[in-house]
Amino acid sequence: AQSVTQPDIHITVSEGASLELRCNYSYGATPYLFWYVQSPGQGLQLLLKYFSGDTLVQGIKGFEAEFKRSQSSFNLRKPSVHWSDAAEYFCAVGTNAGKSTFGDGTTLTVKP
Amino acid sequence: DAGVIQSPRHEVTEMGQEVTLRCKPISGHNSLFWYRQTMMRGLELLIYFNNNVPIDDSGMPEDRFSAKMPNASFSTLKIQPSEPRDSAVYFCASSLGGTSGGPSTDTQYFGPGTRLTVL
Repeated sequence: AQSVTQPDIHITVSEGASLELRCNYSYGATPYLFWYVQSPGQGLQLLLKYFSGDTLVQGIKGFEAEFKRSQSSFNLRKPSVHWSDAAEYFCAVGTNAGKSTFGDGTTLTVKP
Repeated sequence: DAGVIQSPRHEVTEMGQEVTLRCKPISGHNSLFWYRQTMMRGLELLIYFNNNVPIDDSGMPEDRFSAKMPNASFSTLKIQPSEPRDSAVYFCASSLGGTSGGPSTDTQYFGPGTRLTVL
């Protein structure tokens, strides 16, 4: 079975600073990888996804993520964080074999 | 499209009562997922359907929980009897359902959730 680890429970960055959220997965083959964002009181919304091809994936709101097979990682990045990016971020893994698995989430706080 | 619709948005009930949560997936989506989110346990998949058929209900906590999908546009999650530890936010999500593979390989579109409080 697959698993997802988001090592950082909580991250605080200053507005305008760069951001990197870590995600590591465990699966025997290449998985389908997703990053979702959840604003307070709302459901999850897809930021970006990776299935195959170019390992650097662009998403909405200026986010990007890079798939690194050798490190089993799919880290999310943004060059300049805005106050509206404060939210909880979830990495998820899906496979052809069955259900998807979500990480425990990383809460992002943005300092003015 | 209106997106995934869930009702009610908030539910407060007393222990022992029956609770029914409702979900209308996005039209044309073939897969539907029910999740529970709590501070302690994070986001847990309870059950998912593909083409109205339950595929994996291994996440359903116990027999008090049941889910149905009588047609492609409606699903319910029922808790009977409810207990205080069932208090959580329950999300419904839908996806196209495996256009690239299994149901988990497509983007899931989440509803706004139902916040359940059992007193």
